[in-house]
Amino acid sequence: GNSVTQMEGPVTLSEEAFLTINCTYTATGYPSLFWYVQYPGEGLQLLLKATKADDKGSNKGFEATYRKETTSFHLEKGSVQVSDSAVYFCALSLNFGNEKLTFGTGTRLTIIP
Amino acid sequence: ETGVTQSPTHLIKTRGQQVTLRCSSQSGHNTVSWYQQALGQGPQFIFQYYREEENGRGNFPPRFSGLQFPNYSSELNVNALELDDSALYLCASSLRDNTDTQYFGPGTRLTVL
Repeated sequence: GNSVTQMEGPVTLSEEAFLTINCTYTATGYPSLFWYVQYPGEGLQLLLKATKADDKGSNKGFEATYRKETTSFHLEKGSVQVSDSAVYFCALSLNFGNEKLTFGTGTRLTIIP
Repeated sequence: ETGVTQSPTHLIKTRGQQVTLRCSSQSGHNTVSWYQQALGQGPQFIFQYYREEENGRGNFPPRFSGLQFPNYSSELNVNALELDDSALYLCASSLRDNTDTQYFGPGTRLTVL
């Protein structure tokens, strides 16, 4: 079956530090890959996505590259801010994203000033 | 453009009762998916509706049922509530095409006592 494995948290960083959250996947076929973010008490917001190998998704300073050879989609940001504190979910969907999203367990990120 | 909305925001029920949660999809979207997010976990797919028909179902018992209406809004019904049904219920809407992305509402927090 399809699955997503995320780096376990929580992750605590100082402001302006470099962030990497690891994500690997297992899928039949060629999935679309997503990062969603969940701020406290809220639903999920799409952060970025990539639909084919070597695509790079980017938004708000965050980036992730679809690596088919390593089945990975690691999230990176060069300089984090306190406002980036949230839970980050890696997810995949088949059929160009038309099918269900399969999520990882989430990584809680806390940025301290 | 109106985003995905859900009602109610919070709900408290007792074991054995029935509950109905509602979702209005984003303007122009024809597909609605429902997810259950237990505390500290990633969302789990319940089912998806496309053009008023169920279009995929996750590993949830039949007491979880749904509807989609001609205006693409949707309901999630849960019968015979159990304590483990306590969770955040998320609705996501999308436009079924080759670059589908699911957009989430803020969720309904259900507590079963």
